[in-house]
Amino acid sequence: GAGVSQSPSNKVTEKGKDVELRCDPISGHTALYWYRQSLGQGLEFLIYFQGNSAPDKSGLPSDRFSAERTGGSVSTLTIQRTQQEDSAVYLCASSLDAGGYEQYFGPGTRLTVT
Amino acid sequence: AQTVTQSQPEMSVQEAETVTLSCTYDTSENNYYLFWYKQPPSRQMILVIRQEAYKQQNATENRFSVNFQKAAKSFSLKISDSQLGDTAMYFCALVSNSNSGYALNFGKGTSLLVTP
Repeated sequence: GAGVSQSPSNKVTEKGKDVELRCDPISGHTALYWYRQSLGQGLEFLIYFQGNSAPDKSGLPSDRFSAERTGGSVSTLTIQRTQQEDSAVYLCASSLDAGGYEQYFGPGTRLTVT
Repeated sequence: AQTVTQSQPEMSVQEAETVTLSCTYDTSENNYYLFWYKQPPSRQMILVIRQEAYKQQNATENRFSVNFQKAAKSFSLKISDSQLGDTAMYFCALVSNSNSGYALNFGKGTSLLVTP
C-alpha cells in the first residue's frame, strides 16, 4: 500500500512569509507525528495527533507554529512569519496507534527560509 | 527526563565486515521500546529493528541484530556482512508512555560509511 507522503518536497520562502506543509499518513493509522530535523538540534518532536486531536502542543517551538488534522487523515503544519531558524527538514510519521508501534516516516519537506 | 546518547558521530567499515553502533539511554520507565532507524541520503527514515524492553531476547532482522543490556541501559546495533547500501545515518530512539503520544526520542545519530 501507499506509504506516508509529504508535500512539498522542498520549499524556499522569504523571511516573514507563511508556509503550509502537508502530510498524508498511511490509511487507517490513527496516530500522526511531526518532527523537525536540523543540523544544530538533531531530531525534535513537535506534535502528535490521536485521530483529529492534538493533546499536547508543548513541543511546538513557538506560537508561530500550528498544526491541524482533519478527518483523521491529512495533517498540515503551518508556520507563520517564518524566520531563518525555521530552516530544517520537517518529517511526518504515522503509526497504527499511539504506543510502541513502528512509526512510518514520509520523505520530509526541506524548508529553506531566505 | 529521558536521554538517548550515541557516542560515535562517524564510523567506517569495509564491505562484508561487521560493525557495531553504540547507544545508551536513560529512562525511569519500566515499560519502553527501543528502535534503530536508518536514514540514507534520500532522507527517508526507515525502521531497522525494534526491541520491547520487557523482552529479554535480543531482536534480530536478517543481518541486523541488537545487544540489549537493560540493566546497563545499553542498546547497540550490530550489522553483519556490511553492504554498500548500508551507508546511512543511524539513529537510536526510545519510546515510552512518558513521551507525549509515545513520540520517538532520538539520539544524535551515527554516520556509517561502508567502503568497497
